[in-house]
Amino acid sequence: SQKIEQNSEALNIQEGKTATLTCNYTNYSPAYLQWYRQDPGRGPVFLLLIRENEKEKRKERLKVTFDTTLKQSLFHITASQPADSATYLCALANSGYALNFGKGTSLLVTP
Amino acid sequence: EAQVTQNPRYLITVTGKKLTVTCSQNMNHEYMSWYRQDPGLGLRQIYYSMNVEVTDKGDVPEGYKVSRKEKRNFPLILESPSPNQTSLYFCASSLYSIAGGLDTQYFGPGTRLTVL
Repeated sequence: SQKIEQNSEALNIQEGKTATLTCNYTNYSPAYLQWYRQDPGRGPVFLLLIRENEKEKRKERLKVTFDTTLKQSLFHITASQPADSATYLCALANSGYALNFGKGTSLLVTP
Repeated sequence: EAQVTQNPRYLITVTGKKLTVTCSQNMNHEYMSWYRQDPGLGLRQIYYSMNVEVTDKGDVPEGYKVSRKEKRNFPLILESPSPNQTSLYFCASSLYSIAGGLDTQYFGPGTRLTVL
C-alpha cells in the first residue's frame, strides 16, 4: 500500500541550528512533492514545491531535497528561530491532482 | 486579498441533520479540494474538483457530497452526519496545469465540526 512517513516524534532544536525533517514514501512515483507549515488550529501554508527532475530547491532559509532513488525528501530550515516552531507536512502526488499528505512532524525551536 | 473562506468556522450538530459547509475562493482557481484532519491520521482528501461541474473522489469520500456549480464555490454537504464525521475540515484551492500538476494550494481557516 502507499505510505508517506514523517517522523512522528517531535523535533526539538536550539535556536540558530539547522532543523532537518524527513519525508519517506513507498509505492509512489511522485511527479512532485510539496512542503507545508501548519500552526495549531490553522490551515496549512504552502512553503515549497519540488519536481521529480529537481534535486534541490531553496527559498530564503528553507531548502528541500528530493531523492527519487531513496524515495525521500529532506526539508531543512537553517538558522532556525522560535517562530519556526510548527508542524511541517509533506505532500505528494503521483501525477495529476490527488494530493496525499504525511502526518507531519512537529518542530520546536527553543531560544 | 487572496483567500479561501469557509463557513461556518465552528458547528455542533446532531446525528442525521443535514448540513452544508461553504467554501469560496477569490483567486480564480480551477482546482478546489476538501480535506479532513484527525489526530493520528493527518490530512485526508475527501473530494476534489478540477473545474465547474467536474468533481472526483479523494481517499475518504463516504458520507460526503460536493458540488461545483460556480468556479469560486465548492460546498461540502453531509446529508446525514454521523459522529465519526466529527473532525476539522479544510477547503483548499490551487492553480494547476496538465503538464505540471498542482501549484501552490491555498487553504481555508478550517471548520471544526462536532456531530453528537
